[in-house]
Order: sequence, then C-alpha cells, then structure tokens
Amino acid sequence: AQTVTQSQPEMSVQEAETVTLSCTYDTSESNYYLFWYKQPPSRQMILVIRQEAYKQQNATENRFSVNFQKAAKSFSLKISDSQLGDTAMYFCALTGANSKLTFGKGITLSVRP
Amino acid sequence: GAGVSQTPSNKVTEKGKYVELRCDPISGHTALYWYRQSLGQGPEFLIYFQGTGAADDSGLPNDRFFAVRPEGSVSTLKIQRTERGDSAVYLCASSRGGTDTQYFGPGTRLTVL
Repeated sequence: AQTVTQSQPEMSVQEAETVTLSCTYDTSESNYYLFWYKQPPSRQMILVIRQEAYKQQNATENRFSVNFQKAAKSFSLKISDSQLGDTAMYFCALTGANSKLTFGKGITLSVRP
Repeated sequence: GAGVSQTPSNKVTEKGKYVELRCDPISGHTALYWYRQSLGQGPEFLIYFQGTGAADDSGLPNDRFFAVRPEGSVSTLKIQRTERGDSAVYLCASSRGGTDTQYFGPGTRLTVL
C-alpha cells in the first residue's frame, strides 16, 4: 500500500518570500513518481511539478523546486518569490505501477500582500 | 488542445435518485481516471480505464457506483440510489497511460439532499 502524509494543514507567507511545503510518503515499489498539484478555489487540479524516483536530480519548474530525499522518503516543495496567485491548496501525490494516484490531505497556502 | 472537461459543473439531487456524471478526456489520452474528493480531503481513487475496459475498479465504494467508457473516449460515472454520504466533488483525469502525468478536469460537485 502507498501512503502520503502532509502534516501541516495550513501555511502563510508574505508576497515575494520563499515557503517550503512538506510531504513524506511510503511505498514498497522501487519505480515510482511523485507530484505536487495545486488546487485553487476553482477546483481545477493543476500540475505544479513531477519527480521520477530514479532521477537523483531535483525537479525544477520556474519558481517551483523540490527537495527529494529518497532514503528519508521526503518530497518537499519550495516556492520562491511567492505571488498572490499561488494562494491555493497544494497536494502531494504518488503513483507507481498501478497508475493510480495516492494523495495527501493537502495544505492550504495563503500568500499575504 | 482542449483540456479535460466535466459536466455538469454542479449537481443537486435528492436521496435515492440516480445521477450520471460525464467526463471528456484530452484527445488522444487512452487512460481515464475517476477520483472522489470530500471536503477538506485529498482526492481518493475510484476507477481507472485503459481504453474501453476498466483496468482497476478497486476504489468504487459499493455496487451503487458504476462507470463506463464504451468507445474509449468519454466516460460516465453512474451512481444509483444516492445517499447523503455521496456528496463530494468528483474529479476526472486523463493521461497517455501508465505512469504518465494525469491531467484533471474541473470536477463535478454533487450534493445529495
């Protein structure tokens, strides 16, 4: 069975500052993929970033980067230069050979002007 | 091209009624997934189609839930004898298959009175 844990229910950050969202996971598979999705009030789940477990290099997408610690089963998301439009719920998710995504409970991020 | 679309956006029904929720995947995506998201939670897997067949329906909560994808494109999630506990947002996602990234639709909010 796969599990994803997001223990922080909410966080707040000042506009233009940096924030890190935490995620830990567990899986018995050796080949798996990790994701961060953003869900604004519109409900649309939007892909932020994807990490293949076999890649040692941390994924980066513009202001978003991850810190993937495979041995610790940790997958945190760093958002640099936070913008008001980053306000949303963020979900960490995991998939393996069975193709279905397992999500954490999510974290509500508020960016203050 | 167009993203994943879902209709209706919102559905209000009475306990005991039958409902159908529709999902139109991204053109060319062979895999289609249904998830259910309760308030304040992460999405939970319901069923996964590869082409026309259900590859994994282990997440369907009981036999009141059924889904079809007769031509390998549009899918319909059907819920019989709805109960108040079925109230949730139902999300659909599609991908090119396997561990490829899943892209989500805006969801259908189902409210059972």
